[in-house]
Amino acid sequence: DAGVIQSPRHEVTEMGQEVTLRCKPISGHNSLFWYRQTMMRGLELLIYFNNNVPIDDSGMPEDRFSAKMPNASFSTLKIQPSEPRDSAVYFCASSRRDRVQPQHFGDGTRLSIL
Amino acid sequence: DAKTTQPPSMDCAEGRAANLPCNHSTISGNEYVYWYRQIHSQGPQYIIHGLKNNETNEMASLIITEDRKSSTLILPHATLRDTAVYYCIVRFRGTDKLIFGTGTRLQVFP
Repeated sequence: DAGVIQSPRHEVTEMGQEVTLRCKPISGHNSLFWYRQTMMRGLELLIYFNNNVPIDDSGMPEDRFSAKMPNASFSTLKIQPSEPRDSAVYFCASSRRDRVQPQHFGDGTRLSIL
Repeated sequence: DAKTTQPPSMDCAEGRAANLPCNHSTISGNEYVYWYRQIHSQGPQYIIHGLKNNETNEMASLIITEDRKSSTLILPHATLRDTAVYYCIVRFRGTDKLIFGTGTRLQVFP
């Protein structure tokens, strides 16, 4: 079975550019989560969706960050404009809409802003 | 939300059982304990979860104390591929959130 698929795996861009990260959740999962991981702050939840609806975006650092889930099989995390401090590994995870079911993570996007 | 405390690092000889402890003294009655691990440069991998009873699957066993204030993840026969950071998480009550701490860095040596 296909797991959570993220693209691109690596992204290097200059500050000020728009960055779009993509995620395809596991089929049948109706909760989707975006995380960011840095050495300084560890793994942080940015935002999550249930049935394509954003439920909690309290972890989104600034207005430069936005996330959408236009349908059950696709989500994007956008940074505009990007800054060097946004450099991190961004993970997407999905689960069934059940507070017991575990989340399954993708392999992440390693983002470097120069 | 209950917080967890884990040792920052542990070593284990290959082939031996790795026992990773976790304290969660403020856990509430309806909060589950989850274990994930993260192998370098990969996404976190779900291992196991439990409420009050001990649990076992193909990867590991989870032992939860009767008072639920602590738990132990057991990898029965550790291999070099089990070298990773292991996270013990108490699921945030009433929501779908997982709050990751700093975990235990397990080093399995030959």
